[in-house]
Amino acid sequence: AQRVTQPEKLLSVFKGAPVELKCNYSYSGSPELFWYVQYSRQRLQLLLRHISRESIKGFTADLNKGETSFHLKKPFAQEEDSAMYYCALFGWGKLIFGQGTELSVKP
Amino acid sequence: DTAVSQTPKYLVTQMGNDKSIKCEQNLGHDTMYWYKQDSKKFLKIMFSYNNKELIINETVPNRFSPKSPDKAHLNLHINSLELGDSAVYFCASSFTEQETQYFGPGTRLLVL
Repeated sequence: AQRVTQPEKLLSVFKGAPVELKCNYSYSGSPELFWYVQYSRQRLQLLLRHISRESIKGFTADLNKGETSFHLKKPFAQEEDSAMYYCALFGWGKLIFGQGTELSVKP
Repeated sequence: DTAVSQTPKYLVTQMGNDKSIKCEQNLGHDTMYWYKQDSKKFLKIMFSYNNKELIINETVPNRFSPKSPDKAHLNLHINSLELGDSAVYFCASSFTEQETQYFGPGTRLLVL
């Protein structure tokens, strides 16, 4: 069975601090992984996907197949980064989301 | 504006009623989806359609019936609404199942 785990329900950091949102996955094939973000009362939108290897809004995520992880990182958090972040795995024809991590960046 | 749109944005109704949520995308995508986001913000796929054909039905009660009149529309009809149906329902679309999905603004359903 494929599964996506985000162990932190809530992550609170101060502005300027580094941020790491954890994501671990369980999948027997070659994974396609995404990070989606949902700002307050807004629609879900793609932040980044591992095959593009881009940095969006200062966020990066590296696929670590050995640790089956796809953690999202940003060196200096901004208040506007406060949002709900979802890690997602494409497998068996569908997108499977993790439980989500709410990031709160305090001034 | 090119986007995924849903109507209504809010829906408050009584138990036992029947309601519909509409979704339209003008992105030229072939695949459309319905997701349910529960009170704990957990997001789970309900249905996916590709070019008007049902591809995924994630063991959703048959009170939920999606309908795709054309590939730009995917509506969701819910019969005999129950308290547990209260959630935010998101429509999404993509070119293929593996591509980036674009989400609608959500429909907040409250069943009283």
